[in-house]
Amino acid sequence: ETGVTQSPTHLIKTRGQQVTLRCSSQSGHNTVSWYQQALGQGPQFIFQYYREEENGRGNFPPRFSGLQFPNYSSELNVNALELDDSALYLCASSFSGTTQYFGPGTRLTVL
Amino acid sequence: DAKTTQPPSMDCAEGRAANLPCNHSTISGNEYVYWYRQIHSQGPQYIIHGLKNNETNEMASLIITEDRKSSTLILPHATLRDTAVYYCIVREQGSQGNLIFGKGTKLSVKP
Repeated sequence: ETGVTQSPTHLIKTRGQQVTLRCSSQSGHNTVSWYQQALGQGPQFIFQYYREEENGRGNFPPRFSGLQFPNYSSELNVNALELDDSALYLCASSFSGTTQYFGPGTRLTVL
Repeated sequence: DAKTTQPPSMDCAEGRAANLPCNHSTISGNEYVYWYRQIHSQGPQYIIHGLKNNETNEMASLIITEDRKSSTLILPHATLRDTAVYYCIVREQGSQGNLIFGKGTKLSVKP
């Protein structure tokens, strides 16, 4: 059984650019949640995908968007990057809202 | 906002039990208590969760008071590798996604 994986591990972008982060859920899981963790803070919920539909969203602007694919993997897209978007982006998978298991994260730096 | 209160930091001697407290006085009847930990710059790691009864697994024990307003995570024989930020979170099982992280407790295990 493979755990949650994320790619890339690190990424550097400049202000105004767009970025796509990827997450493969754990085997048997159908739900993916995304979190943003700024330095020194706890993770903040961005949104969740269940059966390819957005199923809950935190206090993030529309330039944060996502997708879930039929194999339950997911993407997080961020448009018009701002300096404050620099953070560790975490995805977590679960089966229908039960215990969430996190991936290792993608460290995004916006210059 | 997080519905839990934890001390910001604790120290523990290697080999001794680490007892991490958490207050959740507004917990509702269908909310579980979850514990995660995060070692520097890695994704949060699930530890244990419970509803009413005490729980034990290979990592830790969770003691929940009878009124469910507080709980304690016990690492029975702390090692240096247990140094991490520990998060206590209350959440409905099967709810729409989000884990609300507070600031957690920074546990330092010292030789």
